[in-house]
Amino acid sequence: DIVMTQTPLSSPVTLGQAASISCRSSQSLVHRDGYTYLSWLQQRPGQPPRLLIYKVSNRFSGVPDRFSGSGAGTDFTLKISRVEAEDVGVYYCMQGTQFPNTFGQGTKLEIK
Amino acid sequence: EVQLLESGGGLVQPGGSLRLSCAASGFDFNTHAMGWVRQAPGKGLEWVSVVSGSGGTTYYADSVKGRFTISRDNSKNTLYLQMNSLRVEDTGVYYCAKGYCSNVICQAEYWGQGTLATVSS
Repeated sequence: DIVMTQTPLSSPVTLGQAASISCRSSQSLVHRDGYTYLSWLQQRPGQPPRLLIYKVSNRFSGVPDRFSGSGAGTDFTLKISRVEAEDVGVYYCMQGTQFPNTFGQGTKLEIK
Repeated sequence: EVQLLESGGGLVQPGGSLRLSCAASGFDFNTHAMGWVRQAPGKGLEWVSVVSGSGGTTYYADSVKGRFTISRDNSKNTLYLQMNSLRVEDTGVYYCAKGYCSNVICQAEYWGQGTLATVSS
């Protein structure tokens, strides 16, 4: 199974400041079709997960442009340029390249 | 608008069974892989099972293989998860998720609100 490792596991951030979360996979996430199925999801308290970023760097419908994704191969990053109060929650990276699809442990974003 | 509505959760004793359902609408159901993800209380996310758009290919996490069965009825736009021989560690919220690709999930685009399954004596 592909292991996804996120850092940090907790991220206290000041409102309006930037936040960054890293995700490393135990093997390459490049699918045989040439795409890299690495996505980022947000789970606000008491809510189901919500897709933010797919295929490394594509924002899903309705996602604010302060969220951005980057990376390649086995190393990936989610950045939030200016954190807002509504961004509080847990962020997961997920690989969809092979089953079992796997998630990172989650990074809890909280406001200082 | 894509909607996924889960049902079927509840309280069951160890060794018992539950059947979860997920009614889907707002997209071409039979052209997308679908799956179940669970979340134990206070824990992270775990893929349980995935089924291809045609229903011909299924995948299971090792933790549920041989006990859970995923299926879909494309005429009813509904996804199912039959859970047998339930264990205490199967307790959690079960989410239905829509995949982007037809044979595998690729990315989980939409999620239901979840249904809680509690296994306890």
